[in-house]
Amino acid sequence: TQLLEQSPQFLSIQEGENLTVYCNSSSVFSSLQWYRQEPGEGPVLLVTVVTGGEVKKLKRLTFQFGDARKDSSLHITAAQPGDTGLYLCAGTGAGSYQLTFGKGTKLSVIP
Amino acid sequence: DAGVIQSPRHEVTEMGQEVTLRCKPISGHDYLFWYRQTMMRGLELLIYFNNNVPIDDSGMPEDRFSAKMPNASFSTLKIQPSEPRDSAVYFCASSGLWGETQYFGPGTRLLVL
Repeated sequence: TQLLEQSPQFLSIQEGENLTVYCNSSSVFSSLQWYRQEPGEGPVLLVTVVTGGEVKKLKRLTFQFGDARKDSSLHITAAQPGDTGLYLCAGTGAGSYQLTFGKGTKLSVIP
Repeated sequence: DAGVIQSPRHEVTEMGQEVTLRCKPISGHDYLFWYRQTMMRGLELLIYFNNNVPIDDSGMPEDRFSAKMPNASFSTLKIQPSEPRDSAVYFCASSGLWGETQYFGPGTRLLVL
């Protein structure tokens, strides 16, 4: 079973600060996705990374896939209260598109 | 498009009762997924369907859980009998093709007393 460990589990920061959250595994993933989930709603896909070392940017969010495709990070610049939510990473194994999810990082951005 | 629709949004029931959760996927999507989310275990895949046919139910926790998809626009997840440890948020998701983006519904929050 492929497991994804996310850290930190909880993060509370002030508006305007930068932050990085991590998603790590001992297994290699074919692709890795990041989702944001707001209270009372389902997860919404932010980005998919498929190539080792790949970096993708989505406005103030920067996603990186590790060279060995075992880990990923999400960096948020100048966090806003609207960034508050649960950030989930999910990976797919070789030959499969079934998603294995991490437990998430719960981010609170305080105005 | 209305997105994935789930009902009810909240369900409170007593141990031993039957619970039925419902899902309407996005029109035209061929894949439908049922997930369960808890604090302890995170988001877990229970079962998924392709063109109304169950493909992999290895995530279904035990025989008390069953899922059906009688047509392309409707699926149910049933728990009979329910137990307190079944309390969780249950999500339905759909995607157009295998490997494409999965779109999640708002979830059903189930509390079994």
